Amino acid sequence: AQTVTQSQPEMSVQEAETVTLSCTYDTSESDYYLFWYKQPPSRQMILVIRQEAYKQQNATENRFSVNFQKAAKSFSLKISDSQLGDAAMYFCAYRSALAAGNKLTFGGGTRVLVKP
Amino acid sequence: DVKVTQSSRYLVKRTGEKVFLECVQDMDHENMFWYRQDPGLGLRLIYFSYDVKMKEKGDIPEGYSVSREKKERFSLILESASTNQTSMYLCASKPRDRARETEAFFGQGTRLTVV
Repeated sequence: AQTVTQSQPEMSVQEAETVTLSCTYDTSESDYYLFWYKQPPSRQMILVIRQEAYKQQNATENRFSVNFQKAAKSFSLKISDSQLGDAAMYFCAYRSALAAGNKLTFGGGTRVLVKP
Repeated sequence: DVKVTQSSRYLVKRTGEKVFLECVQDMDHENMFWYRQDPGLGLRLIYFSYDVKMKEKGDIPEGYSVSREKKERFSLILESASTNQTSMYLCASKPRDRARETEAFFGQGTRLTVV
């Protein structure tokens, strides 16, 4: 079974600075997707960024970028120029490209605090 | 705009009650999921369904059952609620992977308290 581990329960960052969230995963599969979801206080889960395992190029979405290290099974998220609206819980998630139902497996989450 | 709607944001039930959590999606998605979210544990999959009347156990199905009689609706049932089922419950839906890149969409969660 796949597992996803986020080792940082909470991270604090100054507004306009950069913060990096760690995520490691364990799988024996070669074809899969990785995601970062944001959950603000409204509780609505929002997809921040996704990475396909067969793509070597790291995904970027505006101020959000990932460092995908397939051999090390590492998938970190970098938030640049942090804004107050970035304060939220962030979840790393894994999805097999093959499994029935394509279910997501989540890490425990990292709470990001942004200081003005 | 994809919408996944959960019937209640907050719910308080008594121990031993039968509890129904309802989820409806309006985008004709084949796959639907129920997760529970607990601090430090992230989201854990309870059950999922990849078609009408089809259901599969997730990682923590004990004490729960589900029903999917119509494509748009996926219900989570707590047969006899217990205090250790106090949690946040999140429903999600996702289309079957016709293209490679598809994402899951989530409801806003139901915070259930069992007293």
